[in-house]
Amino acid sequence: DGGITQSPKYLFRKEGQNVTLSCEQNLNHDAMYWYRQDPGQGLRLIYYSQIVNDFQKGDIAEGYSVSREKKESFPLTVTSAQKNPTAFYLCASSMRRGNEAFFGQGTRLTVV
Amino acid sequence: AQKITQTQPGMFVQEKEAVTLDCTYDTSDQSYGLFWYKQPSSGEMIFLIYQGSYDEQNATEGRYSLNFQKARKSANLVISASQLGDSAMYFCAMSYFGNEKLTFGTGTRLTIIP
Repeated sequence: DGGITQSPKYLFRKEGQNVTLSCEQNLNHDAMYWYRQDPGQGLRLIYYSQIVNDFQKGDIAEGYSVSREKKESFPLTVTSAQKNPTAFYLCASSMRRGNEAFFGQGTRLTVV
Repeated sequence: AQKITQTQPGMFVQEKEAVTLDCTYDTSDQSYGLFWYKQPSSGEMIFLIYQGSYDEQNATEGRYSLNFQKARKSANLVISASQLGDSAMYFCAMSYFGNEKLTFGTGTRLTIIP
């Protein structure tokens, strides 16, 4: 079945550690996105990529990094520079000139 | 920059009644798309319905319809014959043609009462 897979579902991190969230899609979509969701709030865009080896900062990119070496994969690294990383992270993909975005099931990151 | 406003933080609706979730947007661009997503407690985002800015007819998908009023910059979601499984967060979102990144509103929490 085609879709987007995020792993892990739950992630715990100690302060000062970098952590990488995985996002893989087999929908053959060109564009991929990372969003952050805090309790009771909407989604805010961290990074997006419209083509392999290219990506752009979203609204809240500070403290995060990404790579897009393969069309299917768009991992997100939460660095120690991110002041408040505890949140729910959602990955999405879409056709470059299509309509809806498809979302993964999300990763809940908790800093302990 | 586009902005999405959802003014209803929470709504309670009796089962089988229709419900309207409000969404207004702010843009000076003429080419854009409007989306509604449902987020159950499990956290996944489920696409419900899409309306393009040039679409003359309101979009419909089963029990969902989008009341698109372009001059008022309004894109309300209407759910007919609500069901208990409709209880969830609902987000309105927008993107521009050629740049598919979505901007989301803050959401409305809908609770269906049996």
